[in-house]
Amino acid sequence: GQQVMQIPQYQHVQEGEDFTTYCNSSTTLSNIQWYKQRPGGHPVFLIQLVKSGEVKKQKRLTFQFGEAKKNSSLHITATQTTDVGTYFCAGSSSNDYKLSFGAGTTVTVRA
Amino acid sequence: GAVVSQHPSRVICKSGTSVKIECRSLDFQATTMFWYRQFPKQSLMLMATSNEGSKATYEQGVEKDKFLINHASLTLSTLTVTSAHPEDSSFYICSARDLASGDTGELFFGEGSRLTVL
Repeated sequence: GQQVMQIPQYQHVQEGEDFTTYCNSSTTLSNIQWYKQRPGGHPVFLIQLVKSGEVKKQKRLTFQFGEAKKNSSLHITATQTTDVGTYFCAGSSSNDYKLSFGAGTTVTVRA
Repeated sequence: GAVVSQHPSRVICKSGTSVKIECRSLDFQATTMFWYRQFPKQSLMLMATSNEGSKATYEQGVEKDKFLINHASLTLSTLTVTSAHPEDSSFYICSARDLASGDTGELFFGEGSRLTVL
């Protein structure tokens, strides 16, 4: 199956700053999903991207799917303490409905 | 939104005993549920895919006789860790996909079960 790589593993951000986490796949994906796991919690679905070059926004979060459908990014602007947690990307290919999760980016925020 | 209930949330057992973890979709049906293992500060490692009415599909390296999966109905899957050993201590999470959303819909995760084997 496909392998999904995610960087950085850790992101320490000053409150109010922006940051981006990146996701890359070894194969072309049919869709990519993003999840957020708060400390001590379980992953919660954020968004799904399906189309090549697709960009979706959720308030301060901007999600992008690459033109080749092999990479994706999550950009958060004006980071707040509520953004603390681990963000996972997860992708699946057209012939495999299973989602492969990236290693996750754990975000901490300095007030 | 859809809810997946998983219990127990925490379980401590003696080495050699078996532990059963339940995963229920409360307001939707799921022909497929997924079981993951998560080590501290690490990603979700897919262990197996639970298929309603048929055998589970295990990922490479996961012992099917060690981790028994049963998916007897469209709303319930169970994972039994048999003859548990301390190295089986981990955080186990299940997820389910709404049958109505097809094969590519979002996953709804249970709250997770932290297993400690003494």
